[in-house]
Amino acid sequence: GAVVSQHPSWVICKSGTSVKIECRSLDFQATTMFWYRQFPKQSLMLMATSNEGSKATYEQGVEKDKFLINHASLTLSTLTVTSAHPEDSSFYICSAIRDLNTEAFFGQGTRLTVV
Amino acid sequence: GEDVEQSLFLSVREGDSSVINCTYTDSSSTYLYWYKQEPGAGLQLLTYIFSNMDMKQDQRLTVLLNKKDKHLSLRIADTQTGDSAIYFCAEKKDTGGFKTIFGAGTRLFVKA
Repeated sequence: GAVVSQHPSWVICKSGTSVKIECRSLDFQATTMFWYRQFPKQSLMLMATSNEGSKATYEQGVEKDKFLINHASLTLSTLTVTSAHPEDSSFYICSAIRDLNTEAFFGQGTRLTVV
Repeated sequence: GEDVEQSLFLSVREGDSSVINCTYTDSSSTYLYWYKQEPGAGLQLLTYIFSNMDMKQDQRLTVLLNKKDKHLSLRIADTQTGDSAIYFCAEKKDTGGFKTIFGAGTRLFVKA
C-alpha cells in the first residue's frame, strides 16, 4: 500500500508555543489530506479536510485560527497548533487519498504533549 | 446517535474466531472499512468492502455486509495474540465530498 509519513512522531512543548506537524505522502500525489484528533481510548475525530492549493474545510467546533492547516503541495500538508494549551495534548493523525474513489492511507500519528 | 456504532470490548481465546460487529446509519455510504490500531500507532487499513458487495474474504479476514440492516462485521479466523488491538469500523459518506466517519473502536483482547 501507499505510504504516508508524519513528523514528528511525538513532541513535547510548553504552553503558549506553537507546534507544526507534517504529513507527507511518500509515493503518491494526494489530492486531499485529512487531519484527525484522537483522545485516549476514543475514536478519531475529523478536524479538517485539506485540498492542495485551497483553504482547508474545518469540522464544526474546530477553531481554524488555532489549528492552522496548509496544503502547499500534492505531497505535503502541515498542521500547526498555535498557542498550545495542555488540553491540546492528544494524538493527531493525518490521512491522504489519491482521489475520491480510493481508500485513505494513514500516517503513524503524532503524540503531542503540552506542559 | 452516533453514525457508526461498535461494541467497545471483545475477549477471545487464541485459536478461536473473533467477530467484531458494527452498525452504520448512512445508506449512501459507498465504502466501508476496517482499520487496526496498535498501541501508540496510526491506523492500518485491514480491508474494505464496496457497498454493493455482501462478503469479502482476505486470508483470515472475512467481512460481511448486510446493507438492509446497515450491519457490518469482521471475522478473524484463528485469532492470534498479535491480533490484540483496537479495530475501527468506518464508513465513507457520500456527501458531495469525501468524509470518513469512524466508530469508537472495539478493543480486542486475545488470551493465550
